[in-house]
Amino acid sequence: AQSVTQPDIHITVSEGASLELRCNYSYGATPYLFWYVQSPGQGLQLLLKYFSGDTLVQGIKGFEAEFKRSQSSFNLRKPSVHWSDAAEYFCAGDGGATNKLIFGTGTLLAVQP
Amino acid sequence: DGGITQSPKYLFRKEGQNVTLSCEQNLNHDAMYWYRQDPGQGLRLIYYSQIVNDFQKGDIAEGYSVSREKKESFPLTVTSAQKNPTAFYLCASSIARGQETQYFGPGTRLLVL
Repeated sequence: AQSVTQPDIHITVSEGASLELRCNYSYGATPYLFWYVQSPGQGLQLLLKYFSGDTLVQGIKGFEAEFKRSQSSFNLRKPSVHWSDAAEYFCAGDGGATNKLIFGTGTLLAVQP
Repeated sequence: DGGITQSPKYLFRKEGQNVTLSCEQNLNHDAMYWYRQDPGQGLRLIYYSQIVNDFQKGDIAEGYSVSREKKESFPLTVTSAQKNPTAFYLCASSIARGQETQYFGPGTRLLVL
């Protein structure tokens, strides 16, 4: 079955530290992959997406993600975290013609001063 | 500005009552979606519509109904048959069917009195 897994429910980092949020997928073929961010009580904002081509994808707010086929992963990274990055982050995959997104359960990021 | 609007921001439902959540988009997107978000469960697809006058059940359609009479609008009705309606509801849209990016509205929080 198709699935997207985010192994970390909650992560805390210090402001200025680097960040990596993990995402693994299980699809028959390479899906389209997305990272979204959600602030409390708000909708989801697209950070970046991977469709094909260069496996290192740049997004908004200084985020990037790297697609690794051999590891079935699409981890999100940021070299220096800001307090405003505290939010919940969702990885999602779309592998079929119905454009059905499958979401991971999310990773809640807390940023310590 | 183009975007997706959802109203109301908060909605209260009494026992046995049907309530309707509004979703409007001015992005000229063909496809629209409704998701339900519960803590720790990510987003689950309720219904989606690829084109006007057509819609399909998602993974958790029981107790919900939709209509798509206009391209811009995709209202969701939570019926009395939905026994656990308390959740955050998110509407999304994309250009067309297929592996396209979905853009999300700000959400409606439904609470049961």
